[in-house]
Amino acid sequence: QKEVEQNSGPLSVPEGAIASLNCTYSDRGSQSFFWYRQYSGKSPELIMSIYSNGDKEDGRFTAQLNKASQYVSLLIRDSQPSDSATYLCAVYSGAGSYQLTFGKGTKLSVIP
Amino acid sequence: ETGVTQSPTHLIKTRGQQVTLRCSSQSGHNTVSWYQQALGQGPQFIFQYYREEENGRGNFPPRFSGLQFPNYSSELNVNALELDDSALYLCASSTPGGAYEQYFGPGTRLTVT
Repeated sequence: QKEVEQNSGPLSVPEGAIASLNCTYSDRGSQSFFWYRQYSGKSPELIMSIYSNGDKEDGRFTAQLNKASQYVSLLIRDSQPSDSATYLCAVYSGAGSYQLTFGKGTKLSVIP
Repeated sequence: ETGVTQSPTHLIKTRGQQVTLRCSSQSGHNTVSWYQQALGQGPQFIFQYYREEENGRGNFPPRFSGLQFPNYSSELNVNALELDDSALYLCASSTPGGAYEQYFGPGTRLTVT
């Protein structure tokens, strides 16, 4: 059973701080990793994808991947109240599995 | 570029009934995946369609079935509805050949009473 684990939170950070969201996965053969943002009552929105070890930066977002530790993280710099949402980690294992396996999500609250 | 669309937005059904949900994929995407998201949970993979064929299936019973049409739009059918089928049903489309970067539609909220 392929599993993706996230701390459900809530994670509260003050406005302007760095929010750090973490995710671990069980399938060592996993190939692709994604972070989705989901506002309450809305559908998930893809915000970052990462495929190789290291960091990937896009604006205020940085995704970090460590395949040896089976760990992926998302850093949000200069957090804004509009970043308050649930962040879902998703993993694609490849090898014909065709599906994304999601964690339960971490709820982030940015306090003004 | 048109994004993923789903219909209807909300639906209320009675236990034992059947329901059909619809999805139009994003322009240029020929792969459609369906997910079920219960409250407080992450999306769970139901199945994927590629070139009008089922291309993988999650741990859902056969009463969950689907179709993909030549224009890449898709339907999710659920027979013999149960109370636990109440959830947000999400359709995601992706670029040819796999699961990379799936983009979700707005979802259909199904309530079974």
